[in-house]
Amino acid sequence: QVQLQESGPGLVKPSETLSLTCTVSGGSVSSGTSYWTWIRQPPGKGLEWIGYIYSSGRTNYNPSLKSRITMSVDTSKNQFSLKLSSVTPADTAVYYCTRDVRLHSSGDSWFDPWGQGTLVTVSS
Amino acid sequence: DIQMTQSPSSLSASVGDRVTITCRASQSISGYLNWYQHKPGKAPKVLIYSASNLLSGVPSRFSGSGSGTDFTLTISSLHPEDFATYFCQQAYSNPLTFGGGTKVEIK
Repeated sequence: QVQLQESGPGLVKPSETLSLTCTVSGGSVSSGTSYWTWIRQPPGKGLEWIGYIYSSGRTNYNPSLKSRITMSVDTSKNQFSLKLSSVTPADTAVYYCTRDVRLHSSGDSWFDPWGQGTLVTVSS
Repeated sequence: DIQMTQSPSSLSASVGDRVTITCRASQSISGYLNWYQHKPGKAPKVLIYSASNLLSGVPSRFSGSGSGTDFTLTISSLHPEDFATYFCQQAYSNPLTFGGGTKVEIK
């Protein structure tokens, strides 16, 4: 079955760019039914949807973060990535990659599977 | 954005107890409500999609109901492995949003 694993620096300085990669195993990032998604959870707070990238490269970002986000897909490495620019301590969170599974016939969708998450701390 | 309000934020229960968690949306989301289980240090796991549909492999003691703005997750008889945090997620409109979570602890 599909498994996801996040990787990237655990510490980023304020004003710099946070870069994370999610490696997909057991499936293809080129799958036509998968919307590759990033979600984060700041310490002590709820989950926040960051956005997704479709295998075609089409993206959809949370408006609250849109100006700072870039997502991409690398089909040769079976990975997808997140870049968040101009970070502040408020961007400190556990970042999860996941797949948005969609049933176009019914409109049903859900996130499955998820990576275990990676903590990124923004601090000087 | 659609706000999702979960209650309670935490509860203490014993093995064998029936547990009910509620999730309320700030506007109608039809039936597009998912439930997840999250244990510390592990990947969250989807339990139920579209309010009442159990994912394959999820024990039948889990059930979901509701539509519109009010939804419920029920665990009919709590097992030791069910102690975890549960959260809801609306899949009706972007940006997708989540409830604040309910931590189910051992009494």
